Amino acid sequence: DVKVTQSSRYLVKRTGEKVFLECVQDMDHENMFWYRQDPGLGLRLIYFSYDVKMKEKGDIPEGYSVSREKKERFSLILESASTNQTSMYLCASSLKPNTEAFFGQGTRLTVV
Amino acid sequence: AQKVTQAQTEISVVEKEDVTLDCVYETRDTTYYLFWYKQPPSGELVFLIRRNSFDEQNEISGRYSWNFQKSTSSFNFTITASQVVDSAVYFCALSILNDYKLSFGAGTTVTVRA
Repeated sequence: DVKVTQSSRYLVKRTGEKVFLECVQDMDHENMFWYRQDPGLGLRLIYFSYDVKMKEKGDIPEGYSVSREKKERFSLILESASTNQTSMYLCASSLKPNTEAFFGQGTRLTVV
Repeated sequence: AQKVTQAQTEISVVEKEDVTLDCVYETRDTTYYLFWYKQPPSGELVFLIRRNSFDEQNEISGRYSWNFQKSTSSFNFTITASQVVDSAVYFCALSILNDYKLSFGAGTTVTVRA
């Protein structure tokens, strides 16, 4: 069974903290994504990666960075968490462009 | 730029009723792909269907059916004889040829009451 696994379901962090969200996929997919989900806004792409050590900005990259040192792992980093980054974060992977993406279960992050 | 609009924020039905979710998209590209995903309360988005812009045939899969109309830029989704397990948020999404990115609509929350 194919899987995208996010390291935490729920996180509570303080303003100013550095936050790491981890995502691992076991499908040998080239492409990995980080989305943010907010009510009324759907999913918005933060960053994606089409190869190891490669990354591209999505629609809302400000305040975030990413790391992909290994093919199966894609990390999202909040350099200095702020309350407006309280949200649901979803990781996904896909084999090729225009194919279905497989999603993790999401991390609900609260910044206080 | 691509845009996907799901005008219905929430839909509530009684079990066994049919429910249709609207999806309208905008793109200048001639080759593109449309998707529907389901997000149950557990949180993980589940892929339902992918359709390319050259295939306007409607599709049926069990109680699910999809109606793609290029003339109106719509890709609507119908659940026939709804069940409580259909309660979820449903997202419509679009990607253009060779683009990694998916543009999502805001989602429609479907609640099916027993």
